[in-house]
Amino acid sequence: AQRVTQPEKLLSVFKGAPVELKCNYSYSGSPELFWYVQYSRQRLQLLLRHISRESIKGFTADLNKGETSFHLKKPFAQEEDSAMYYCALSSNTDKLIFGTGTRLQVFP
Amino acid sequence: EAGVAQSPRYKIIEKRQSVAFWCNPISGHATLYWYQQILGQGPKLLIQFQNNGVVDDSQLPKDRFSAERLKGVDSTLKIQPAKLEDSAVYLCASSSGQWGLAGVSGANVLTFGAGSRLTVL
Repeated sequence: AQRVTQPEKLLSVFKGAPVELKCNYSYSGSPELFWYVQYSRQRLQLLLRHISRESIKGFTADLNKGETSFHLKKPFAQEEDSAMYYCALSSNTDKLIFGTGTRLQVFP
Repeated sequence: EAGVAQSPRYKIIEKRQSVAFWCNPISGHATLYWYQQILGQGPKLLIQFQNNGVVDDSQLPKDRFSAERLKGVDSTLKIQPAKLEDSAVYLCASSSGQWGLAGVSGANVLTFGAGSRLTVL
């Protein structure tokens, strides 16, 4: 069965601290993984996708097939990073399955 | 480009009443999705259309929920009769991807609407 697990509901850090939002997945095929973000009073939007291998707003995520993980990392958190972060997995029918989300709070 | 439009933004109804939500995707996007997001949970896919055909509706409660995408553009999602547990935000999303062409740039990248918040009393 396809599943995305985000074990932390809330992650609180101070500005300038490193951040790692955890994501583990279960999928029998070759996965395509994404991170979506929802800032306060804004729409859910794509942050990054693993096949792009890019850094967006200082965030990176590496797909680890051995550990079936796709953790989101940023070395120095900013207050404007405070948001809900959803890890998502795409199946071969373009069906996007979301995790339950992690709320990141960055304190000044 | 214009985004995904949804209406109404908010709706309050009593249980056993009916409600309909409307979605206008980004022009030219072949694939349209309806997600249900209950408070504290991640979005759950209800139904996925490619053009005017259904790709996946395995998690749509078909005894009360229905959706259509006539002419492969706009879509409506209906709930009849509503239950208390249907209280949620209903998100519409679209993508330019075509099923079976996952390697195409833009495939699987969803653009979401603002959502329609339903409260069932």
